[in-house]
Parts: sequence; C-alpha cells; structure tokens
Amino acid sequence: EVQLVESGGRVVRPGGSLRLSCAASGFTFEDYGMNWVRQAPGKGLEWVSGINWNGGSTGYVDSVKGRFIISRDNVENSLYLQMNSLRVEDTALYYCARFRASSQLLPDAFTVWGLGTMVTVS
Amino acid sequence: QSVLTQPPSVSGAPGQRVTISCTGSSSNIGAGYAVHWYQQLPGTAPKLLIYDNTNRPSGVPDRFSGSNSGTSASLAITGLQAEDEAHYYCQSYDTNLSHFWVFGGGTKLTVL
Repeated sequence: EVQLVESGGRVVRPGGSLRLSCAASGFTFEDYGMNWVRQAPGKGLEWVSGINWNGGSTGYVDSVKGRFIISRDNVENSLYLQMNSLRVEDTALYYCARFRASSQLLPDAFTVWGLGTMVTVS
Repeated sequence: QSVLTQPPSVSGAPGQRVTISCTGSSSNIGAGYAVHWYQQLPGTAPKLLIYDNTNRPSGVPDRFSGSNSGTSASLAITGLQAEDEAHYYCQSYDTNLSHFWVFGGGTKLTVL
C-alpha cells in the first residue's frame, strides 16, 4: 500500500525550531519529487516547499524562505522539513505530498498525501 | 488572498449538477499550466480528484469532470450525492517568483 506518514509536530515557542519527518512506503521513493503542504486551522491549503528526486533542486514559498529547509534521504525513504525561527503564523497541519508522476519540480499534481502532523507555535 | 480565486461556497440538491469555478491569471492558468482539483472531506487529507485539467485518477467516479478556458477552470459534479459534501480546491503552477504551486482558497459544497 502506498503510504506517507508524517511525524514531529508539537507545540513550540515563537523563535523555536522543529524538524518534521515523512516516512514513505509502498512505492520507489527516489522516483518521485516530494512536497510539504500546510493547512492552518479552518483555512485552505498552502504549498510550503518541494524537492526533486535527488535533492538537487528545491523550492520554497516566500514566507518560509531562509527559515525552512527541505531535504530527503532516499536510503531511508524519508522526507524532512527543518523549521527554524518559527512564527505564530506557521501554526498549521503539515502534509507530506508526492507528485503524481514527476521526479523533478514540475507542474504536476499531488497524488499521495499523508494524514499530516500538527505544528502549533505559541 | 489566494492566487487562484474560488467561490467560498456552493450548494445543490441531491441529483443536481453544480460547478465550481477557479479564476487565475496570465502567470498560472492563462500561461497554459494545468489545473488540478482536490476533494477534502471533513477531518481528512486532500484527495486528488482531477489532474491535468480533465483527467480522473482511477477510482474517481465520472460524475466529476474538469474543464478550463483562458485564465479560468471549472469543476463540474453531476448527480450530486450526500457524500460529495466537502471542500474542493483547485491547484495550478505559477511563474511569479513568489509562488510555485498555488491553490485556490477552497469551496465548501453543501448538499441540501
């Protein structure tokens, strides 16, 4: 079964740091680009960051540039998001999402989603 | 303020047809980038409903269809069912430096 399982979310103070993880299974992880998407309580979806198959290409939404770092380990089949200098407005459910077919950062749909991990900055 | 604009809510009776619009600009939909649609049931993760404007993933009923024209796209749902009550989001790719993958603000579909 194709699956993504996020972990690492918790309550953290403003200015603090957190590292989110996403464990992938059921597919060849290194064949796909991956993303983090967040959803603030009662709000819509916001793409946060993406990474290509080997980590050589990454992208970030402006609001997290310089504070968040996306990375991956194709041996461990895991995706990570290092979150530094956290702000109250970073409070959200963070989803890990896989591209439908692309290994690169291309305009592809997100076809596999985890259940999310909650980050609360307060 | 979302880059892609959706109506906050739509509603319809069981069996009816509803459409949800998604309005973008020349830097996303108008530039020819594909539109994807997601359904989010209460308390669950988003689910891909339509990809590349008109394609349905395996398992998605043909009651759901997508179309686009110019700088806008639409999701149509025919034969409305109670289990279709959910939030729906459109998504595309934007070439402005501040954005990459952008979502609409979401539309809450209520089945009357």
